[in-house]
Amino acid sequence: SQQGEEDPQALSIQEGENATMNCSYKTSINNLQWYRQNSGRGLVHLILIRSNEREKHSGRLRVTLDTSKKSSSLLITASRAADTASYFCATGVTGNQFYFGTGTSLTVIP
Amino acid sequence: EPEVTQTPSHQVTQMGQEVILRCVPISNHLYFYWYRQILGQKVEFLVSFYNNEISEKSEIFDDQFSVERPDGSNFTLKIRSTKLEDSAMYFCASTSSGTEAFFGQGTRLTVV
Repeated sequence: SQQGEEDPQALSIQEGENATMNCSYKTSINNLQWYRQNSGRGLVHLILIRSNEREKHSGRLRVTLDTSKKSSSLLITASRAADTASYFCATGVTGNQFYFGTGTSLTVIP
Repeated sequence: EPEVTQTPSHQVTQMGQEVILRCVPISNHLYFYWYRQILGQKVEFLVSFYNNEISEKSEIFDDQFSVERPDGSNFTLKIRSTKLEDSAMYFCASTSSGTEAFFGQGTRLTVV
């Protein structure tokens, strides 16, 4: 399968703590994107990291990419209750296709 | 800010009926996609569309499915004869080459 897999499947933390989610994939990629989905809602793009990049920041988000290990991580610092959502990685492969992982369900407890 | 819009937000249809889900991608984007998400499950790729033709499709995208870009703005997904298992959230997305994909809010399809 070309889809990635997120780990853990579910994560529960206290507000203010950091949350780390991992994504592993199988094929070579052009880029990797992280999305967020609130329950029953659409997918919101968070950040894109290209295959020649190793780390990227956006506000409280930090994404790393290790192409040798075919893995990526998303770190959310100083989490808030509003960060409660499912987080998906999507691997961009040749031809502008991209495939979603299985998702991590994050619960931030106030 | 430009956005992808999908209509309707919710569609209820009888099994065996045809449905058309509509999407208006971002105007200067070149690549268009349909994904689906069965309740509580992962987001599954259905089809990608570029230069007025399908560039890739998944195993899910069988002969019951078709896509069309009937004019310069709309991108549609048609399911010819719906089945109960087609009930899902359907997402449309668009992108320029190599950039992030923007998703619509989805159409919740319920087949009864």
